[in-house]
Amino acid sequence: DIQMTQSPSSLSASVGDRVTITCRASQSIRSYLNWYQQKPGKAPKLLIYAASSLQSGVPSRFSGSGSGTDFSLTISSLQPGDFATYYCQQSYSHPLTFGGGTKVDIK
Amino acid sequence: EVQLVESGGGLVKPGGFLRLSCSASGFSFSTYTMNWVRQAPGKGLEWVSSISSSGRYIYYMDLLKGRFTISRDNAKNSLFLQMNSLRAEDTAVYYCARESDDSFDSWGQGTLVTVSS
Repeated sequence: DIQMTQSPSSLSASVGDRVTITCRASQSIRSYLNWYQQKPGKAPKLLIYAASSLQSGVPSRFSGSGSGTDFSLTISSLQPGDFATYYCQQSYSHPLTFGGGTKVDIK
Repeated sequence: EVQLVESGGGLVKPGGFLRLSCSASGFSFSTYTMNWVRQAPGKGLEWVSSISSSGRYIYYMDLLKGRFTISRDNAKNSLFLQMNSLRAEDTAVYYCARESDDSFDSWGQGTLVTVSS
């Protein structure tokens, strides 16, 4: 199975900050990497697919990069609605696997 | 508008069974691979199972060891998860999710399964 490791597991940031979350795969997954945002009590929401493609309707302050084993999600200027937990997920092979999540909260 | 509505969750004793359903609307259900993803209380997301558009290709997480069965009825725009021999560690919110471009682009609101005596 492909293991997905996210870092950090949590971070505190202020509105307007630039935030970067990283995700590492245990083997190459090419660009089969997705990012989701989840708020408490809600279903996850797709932000980025195929490592760097912005899902329709998602603000352009979210961006993704990387390929192979190392990936990142960047929020260019953190907004109040961005405080949430973020997950990466590989879709290269079954079983599909998620990272452990990164909780972004208010500093 | 894409809508996915799960149902069938509840409280069940260890060793018991449940059948989850996901009713889809707003898109051509029969053309999409569908998935179940779960989230234990306070924990992260865990993919459970996938079924291709025709039902021909099915995948499960390794730890299920044959206890769960995914199926679909394209005529009724419905996805199912039969869960047998339930254990405490199966306690979670179960989401159905549509797969597009190798990602989960639409999710239901989830249904809570609690396994407890």
